[in-house]
Amino acid sequence: EVKLLESGGGLVQPGGSLRLSCAASGFTFNSHPMTWVRQAPGKGLEWVTSISAGGPTTFYADSVKGRFTISRDNSKSTLYLQMNSLRPEDTAMYFCAKDLRMGATIDVFDMWGQGTMVSVSS
Amino acid sequence: DIQMTQSPSSLSASVGDRVTITCRASQSISNYLNWYQQIPGKAPKLLIYAASSLQSGVPSRFSGSGSGTDFTLTISSLQPEDFATYYCQQSYSIPPITFGQGTRLEIK
Repeated sequence: EVKLLESGGGLVQPGGSLRLSCAASGFTFNSHPMTWVRQAPGKGLEWVTSISAGGPTTFYADSVKGRFTISRDNSKSTLYLQMNSLRPEDTAMYFCAKDLRMGATIDVFDMWGQGTMVSVSS
Repeated sequence: DIQMTQSPSSLSASVGDRVTITCRASQSISNYLNWYQQIPGKAPKLLIYAASSLQSGVPSRFSGSGSGTDFTLTISSLQPEDFATYYCQQSYSIPPITFGQGTRLEIK
């Protein structure tokens, strides 16, 4: 069974940092691109960042570029999101998601974790 | 960036109804269009990918169509568990990947 389990969320002050993790199991983690998507309370889905299967290729939304860093440890089947210089508008549920297809193309998300909540407030 | 616009934003329907949700892209995206269902408090679930391919395990009452800029998601006969919010998503031109604003399907 494919599972994605996020952790690391919490309450942080503006300007602070958090590191989210997404532990994967049940599939060949190193063959699939991975993505973080967030959802502010009561709002829609917003793509944040994606990483290719091998890890060298990354993409970021303009809203987080330069502040967030996506990475993966294929030996641990774990995806990470390092979030620095956090702002109140980063408050959201953060989901990790697995790409349906193997390879480099970031395309369609067939499995999602349950999410981890990040709240940025003083 | 490619903008995705869904209509309607909300919809009331009854069990057994046939429902259609529309998604329009700001430029042609071929068939790089996916549909997700989200029940409140839960993670999104993939329903349809590549505009018309039914994801494994998804009931056949869900179907998708379209190409270019105009796409539809159809539920042929609404079931109680289908009342949720639906999102379209394009992956034709990235970054960024973009989602529609969502269509909330409520019980009439």
